[in-house]
Amino acid sequence: NAGVMQNPRHLVRRRGQEARLRCSPMKGHSHVYWYRQLPEEGLKFMVYLQKENIIDESGMPKERFSAEFPKEGPSILRIQQVVRGDSAAYFCASSPPGLAAPGEQFFGPGTRLTVL
Amino acid sequence: EDQVTQSPEALRLQEGESSSLNCSYTVSGLRGLFWYRQDPGKGPEFLFTLYSAGEEKEKERLKATLTKKESFLHITAPKPEDSATYLCAVLEAAGNKLTFGGGTRVLVKP
Repeated sequence: NAGVMQNPRHLVRRRGQEARLRCSPMKGHSHVYWYRQLPEEGLKFMVYLQKENIIDESGMPKERFSAEFPKEGPSILRIQQVVRGDSAAYFCASSPPGLAAPGEQFFGPGTRLTVL
Repeated sequence: EDQVTQSPEALRLQEGESSSLNCSYTVSGLRGLFWYRQDPGKGPEFLFTLYSAGEEKEKERLKATLTKKESFLHITAPKPEDSATYLCAVLEAAGNKLTFGGGTRVLVKP
């Protein structure tokens, strides 16, 4: 049973370029979350999505960041016009539908974004 | 705003030396408290969920407990492979986002 998959694992971008991070949730999971871990800081929530819907984007920066989880295919976190401060590890987590185990989220290995 | 504070920030143990990690929280209605283990360069690995005060969960050398204000992760007779950062997170009454503490870095020396 494959876990949460993220790609790429490492991504290097120059300032001003776009970064696209992909996440495939665990089989049977329909809820996806994105978190960011800045160097020497804790994990911070960014956005929570279900298929074709953004449920909570209270942690997303207002500009340059967007997320989607289409009906088919992986969830995408998109960062436009990257700046050095965007350098961080970005983690995706997924959870199954229903309320049997609220909050139990399973994390992927992360994408480490470096902005030069 | 929810707050989660973990202490100590770092812990150095000798193999076999038991200890406890603390996670104190302030939330407006707790739906669950979660412990994760994170190894360098990897994603958090789920360990335990605790839903109500008085609840305890065990897994090998780890035991998690929960009160109304804090949770403890007890490590009994640790081994070097228990070296990792241990993260605590809370789920508030409304919503599905986890609020994480800063973590405790544990190093177990042989």
